[in-house]
Amino acid sequence: DTGVSQDPRHKITKRGQNVTFRCDPISEHNRLYWYRQTLGQGPEFLTYFQNEAQLEKSRLLSDRFSAERPKGSFSTLEIQRTEQGDSAMYLCATPPGETDTQYFGPGTRLTVL
Amino acid sequence: LAKTTQPISMDSYEGQEVNITCSHNNIATNDYITWYQQFPSQGPRFIIQGYKTKVTNEVASLFIPADRKSSTLSLPRVSLSDTAVYYCLVGDMDTGRRALTFGSGTRLQVQP
Repeated sequence: DTGVSQDPRHKITKRGQNVTFRCDPISEHNRLYWYRQTLGQGPEFLTYFQNEAQLEKSRLLSDRFSAERPKGSFSTLEIQRTEQGDSAMYLCATPPGETDTQYFGPGTRLTVL
Repeated sequence: LAKTTQPISMDSYEGQEVNITCSHNNIATNDYITWYQQFPSQGPRFIIQGYKTKVTNEVASLFIPADRKSSTLSLPRVSLSDTAVYYCLVGDMDTGRRALTFGSGTRLQVQP
């Protein structure tokens, strides 16, 4: 257990529906990252927060994706009008202090039917 | 970012030592080498990190030759529970805010 929790662990939805995932990081970690991982591939960076500020977004993060971290603690990732290609594991990670080492949550596995 | 190349898969038996080599020919002066382990349906977990020569912790050893163009993760006496995907990453520690860049990893299968 890394201390990073994600909810839900699994989500099955129909194409076109909206979904929202939540990440609760280790409380004293002010940086938070979202990654997406498809089958057989390593995680790919989506977006990054420093406290409540979203500082970087990947090209993978289309207009249908939005992420927030309103109080600099937990974060949410919303996908609107889901598509089958959105099916993946969505991972949240936080590093302590200024280090590069990231503590990952267990992920949310999304299946879009 | 330095690109990494590692074997797609490896097989081993319980009790054997496993060495997974990663190539990173374009590693930069400020880059560190980090290895993560990932079990099915879990997020990646940090194993070990090094800059040069040899690093050892309670889980693994990391060997880095003088030219730093490759590195080898060594897992002593593997068990069935070491079956996982192992990722080699190269990154600049001076810009610690950078997101991690994962390749496809090496899928290690340990058999009894």
